Amino acid sequence: QPVLTQPPSSSASPGESARLTCTLPSDINVGSYNIYWYQQKPGSPPRYLLYYYSDSDKGQGSGVPSRFSGSKDASANTGILLISGLQSEDEADYYCMIWPSNGGVFGGGTKLTVL
Amino acid sequence: EVQLVESGGGLVQPGRSLRLSCAASGFTFDDYAMHWVRQAPGKGLEWVSGISWNSGSIGYADSVKGRFTISRDNAKNSLYLQMNSLRAEDMALYYCAKDRSGGSGYFDYFDYWGQGTLVTVSS
Repeated sequence: QPVLTQPPSSSASPGESARLTCTLPSDINVGSYNIYWYQQKPGSPPRYLLYYYSDSDKGQGSGVPSRFSGSKDASANTGILLISGLQSEDEADYYCMIWPSNGGVFGGGTKLTVL
Repeated sequence: EVQLVESGGGLVQPGRSLRLSCAASGFTFDDYAMHWVRQAPGKGLEWVSGISWNSGSIGYADSVKGRFTISRDNAKNSLYLQMNSLRAEDMALYYCAKDRSGGSGYFDYFDYWGQGTLVTVSS
C-alpha cells in the first residue's frame, strides 16, 4: 500500500492560517482521488473533517466549521487542508486518507500547534 | 445517537489469537459498511479492514492479510475482527468505525468512531 507523506509538525498563531499538506507517491495521481481529512485530539477518537476531490466535488463533515477547507496542488501531487482563523481548539493531530484500489491508506499525521 | 462500543481487547502472547467485537446502535446497522482502524501507542492511524453492508465486499491492509478476518452479524448489530498469529507490531488501540456508505463498490469516509479497545501483544 502507498505511503502518504505529511510533515510531522506545523505551527501557527491564533487568527492565522495553517496549511497542512499530504503528498502522494509519484505513481498515484492526486487528481484521481478523494482526499479525506481527520482531526484527532489527545485521548479521543478521530473526527471526520472533510473530503476534497475538486471545487465542484467536496464535502464538509457534520458540524465542521467552514474555516476548514480542502484543495489540491496537482503540480506537487499534494492534497491540502487549510485552516483559517486558527483557534486554540484547533491544536490536534491531522490525518489525510485515500482509498487506493487495494485498501485505505492514512498519512502519518501532522501535529498542529497553535502558538 | 450513534454508538459504537468495542470489546475483546487485552493482553495476549505472540502467536495467539483474539477476537474483537463492536456493538453498534443508533442507526440502521445493515445499511452501512464498517471498518477497523488501529493506532499503535504514540503512532498514527492505520486502516486494518473494512466490510460492506452485506459482507459482499471485504478488504484488508497488507499488514494483516491472511491473519485477520473481519465479519459482521447484521441481526446482532455487531462487527467482529478475528485476529490470529498476533505479533508485537499488532499492539494498538483498535477502533470500530462506521462508513458513510454501504460499501458496495467503494468505501467512503468514517463518520462515527468508537472509543477503541486496546490489544497488547507481549510474552
